[in-house]
Amino acid sequence: DAGITQSPRHKVTETGTPVTLRCHQTENHRYMYWYRQDPGHGLRLIHYSYGVKDTDKGEVSDGYSVSRSKTEDFLLTLESATSSQTSVYFCAISEPRDTRLYFGPGTRLTVT
Amino acid sequence: GDSVTQMEGPVTLSEEAFLTINCTYTATGYPSLFWYVQYPGEGLQLLLKATKADDKGSNKGFEATYRKETTSFHLEKGSVQVSDSAVYFCALSSQGAQKLVFGQGTRLTINP
Repeated sequence: DAGITQSPRHKVTETGTPVTLRCHQTENHRYMYWYRQDPGHGLRLIHYSYGVKDTDKGEVSDGYSVSRSKTEDFLLTLESATSSQTSVYFCAISEPRDTRLYFGPGTRLTVT
Repeated sequence: GDSVTQMEGPVTLSEEAFLTINCTYTATGYPSLFWYVQYPGEGLQLLLKATKADDKGSNKGFEATYRKETTSFHLEKGSVQVSDSAVYFCALSSQGAQKLVFGQGTRLTINP
């Protein structure tokens, strides 16, 4: 158990509303990631962080922003949710020079 | 760019059957290769990994061998159980990169 929690676990929201998903870890891991999981696409990287206030884009970052003001929290924000952002969102952590990822339980987001 | 291709699913087998899930990759240099498993309603868990050519990763009766000449990392198990029913993801991490690229996933169902 890598001590990763995600909140909320389920959310239904309307198109155009802002949404923030939270990932919290308890073991001071340096790297944190946000992936989305969609049928036929596997997992795709949205954004990742390599330290407090240090973030970078992944392959599907459009429409998403992130923030990491503390080691333990990594927030994913959809500024104006769209139906194409309906997905399951997973947070993950890792350590430098160790590319094994440890995943949180996921957040199922539905945008209506 | 780097990519991973898995065999199309879903795959349905009877208990005690032999399992192969094919995975091929495209990457420069010498990536590390992984298999992750996702049980229903959960996040992904690392199943096994290999970091260099001809390495064999193994865990819980599953095996995969890093074949550089065929750019493959096929997952095998000699006798599957109902409890192996899950979605399996092949992934790679390029040399020096701290990110994983995932295949699309293969859903496996084992019938008693």
